Amino acid sequence: AQTVTQSQPEMSVQEAETVTLSCTYDTSESDYYLFWYKQPPSRQMILVIRQEAYKQQNATENRFSVNFQKAAKSFSLKISDSQLGDAAMYFCALTPAVSQGAQKLVFGQGTRLTINP
Amino acid sequence: DTAVSQTPKYLVTQMGNDKSIKCEQNLGHDTMYWYKQDSKKFLKIMFSYNNKELIINETVPNRFSPKSPDKAHLNLHINSLELGDSAVYFCASSNRDRAGEQFFGPGTRLTVL
Repeated sequence: AQTVTQSQPEMSVQEAETVTLSCTYDTSESDYYLFWYKQPPSRQMILVIRQEAYKQQNATENRFSVNFQKAAKSFSLKISDSQLGDAAMYFCALTPAVSQGAQKLVFGQGTRLTINP
Repeated sequence: DTAVSQTPKYLVTQMGNDKSIKCEQNLGHDTMYWYKQDSKKFLKIMFSYNNKELIINETVPNRFSPKSPDKAHLNLHINSLELGDSAVYFCASSNRDRAGEQFFGPGTRLTVL
């Protein structure tokens, strides 16, 4: 079984500053994928960033980057130069890699991020 | 250009009724999913279909019945609705090429009175 834990229910940051959202996980799988999804008030789930567990290099997407610590089972999201549009619920998620068929995402509880102007 | 669409976006109904939510994806993906997001925002998978075949069936009451007429569609029918069924239901799809990455629909907010 897989579990994902986000220990920060809420975070806030000043516009233009940097914030880090924490995520830890547990899995017995040797190969898996980790994700951060963003859910703004519109409730649309938007993929922010994706990390393949067998890749040691941390994924980056523009202002978003992760710190992936495989041994510690930690996967934090860093948002640089925070913008008002970054305000949303952020969900960390994990899925085991399977050769074919469905891969179920296991989500954390979410972190609500507020951006202060 | 909508990738994953759901209808309706909002559904308000009485306890005991039967209702359906429809999902369509135009991404050419071969796997589709239903997730439930409860009032505390917790998201959990319910079902998954791969090429019209049921692959994942979490411990969901059998009042919930998914149906996949073809690869591009996955509908969710709910019988005898209960108050606890009130939630947001998300449809998603994925493909082998980008393993693990799922594209979500806009969600359907179901309210049972």
